[in-house]
Amino acid sequence: QVQLVQSGAEVKKPGASVKVSCKASGYTFTSYGISWVRQAPGQGLEWMGWISAYNGNTNYAQKLQGRVTMTTDTSTSTAYMELRSLRSDDTAVYYCARGPPEGSDYWGQGTLVTVSS
Amino acid sequence: EIVLTQSPATLSLSPGERATLSCRASQSVSSYLAWYQQKPGQAPRLLIYDASNRATGIPARFSGSGSGTDFTLTISSLEPEDFAVYYCQQRSNWQATFGQGTRLEIK
Repeated sequence: QVQLVQSGAEVKKPGASVKVSCKASGYTFTSYGISWVRQAPGQGLEWMGWISAYNGNTNYAQKLQGRVTMTTDTSTSTAYMELRSLRSDDTAVYYCARGPPEGSDYWGQGTLVTVSS
Repeated sequence: EIVLTQSPATLSLSPGERATLSCRASQSVSSYLAWYQQKPGQAPRLLIYDASNRATGIPARFSGSGSGTDFTLTISSLEPEDFAVYYCQQRSNWQATFGQGTRLEIK
């Protein structure tokens, strides 16, 4: 069965970076892209970007351009999302999801990233 | 950036009733629109993609319609497990956005 398993919760100080992993199983990793979505406490969903697991092409949300980098490691079927220069308003649950933004069918369990001094 | 506006913000209905949720885009998104359901403490669940196609395993009581700028998610007869928050999402020119969500609550 398709599974996306994310890395554990993180606590970071303002200005630091965080890298969240998303290990895929149960399907051919390079056949689907990976989307990243975050959700601040009590708030709605925010799309962060998408990466093709086939060729590494990326599309990032304009508001995160320059601070976010998405990568994949096809040898381990793992996707990564790194966010730099963290601020308190980056505190959120971060999700990876299989597929394009307009139809992500399997989701990871979420990773809570807390940014606090 | 394309803005998606969902209405109503909250919908109060009883089990067995019909639910109609709206999502309006600030400009055309063709049919690149999805609907998700989210329950507290859980990841979103894909219901509808490409505006009107049900995702695998989604019950037939869920249906989507629309194209361009106006979209609708209809739940024909509410089951107790359907009370949740619903989000629409669009993708245009590889920039995606979500609506702010509609909370479907038990009346």
